[in-house]
Amino acid sequence: GAVVSQHPSWVICKSGTSVKIECRSLDFQATTMFWYRQFPKQSLMLMATSNEGSKATYEQGVEKDKFLINHASLTLSTLTVTSAHPEDSSFYICSAKTGMYYGYTFGSGTRLTVV
Amino acid sequence: QKEVEQNSGPLSVPEGAIASLNCTYSDRGSQSFFWYRQYSGKSPELIMFIYSNGDKEDGRFTAQLNKASQYVSLLIRDSQPSDSATYLCAVNIRTGNQFYFGTGTSLTVIP
Repeated sequence: GAVVSQHPSWVICKSGTSVKIECRSLDFQATTMFWYRQFPKQSLMLMATSNEGSKATYEQGVEKDKFLINHASLTLSTLTVTSAHPEDSSFYICSAKTGMYYGYTFGSGTRLTVV
Repeated sequence: QKEVEQNSGPLSVPEGAIASLNCTYSDRGSQSFFWYRQYSGKSPELIMFIYSNGDKEDGRFTAQLNKASQYVSLLIRDSQPSDSATYLCAVNIRTGNQFYFGTGTSLTVIP
């Protein structure tokens, strides 16, 4: 089945530094990927839609200059959290439309802790 | 009004019972509906999807869709402790690419 690989699975960084999270579709081409954020005991919140070869579309309230998204190929999308602060600590998850049906496959998630 | 609403629970059922999870959505033109299971600290995994009115069964799981009433439900028969998780309802609004998730229902199956 379709697999979305997400790395790293967890990262701890200092406040003010930047962190890059990678999301790869391993056995299919993903023209569109989605980035979600999930705070403890809350639901998934869509941050942005990443389209291959074009600018990402950000949801209302998500700072595009803080959360940089690059989707340079059909199999790779990256999310860079710039100048991270403790309030950015969260579980970040990517997903991609598999093309087999209208469902989506999720990456394994990245637990970001900013200290 | 949120696009997708779920009762956050927690819902507790004894082992072997039927667990019933419900979800309502606001966009009458929604096309497809999904149930995901998410264990604590893990990413969601797809359990079932349904497009047409009626019931769809897969093993111990049955998804029910009623477009006229704008609700979709998930029944888990013979509930097991391993079914304890948060269940997320997701709706694909019309024919767009975006998913909208409910807040999730926490289910605990008591041995």
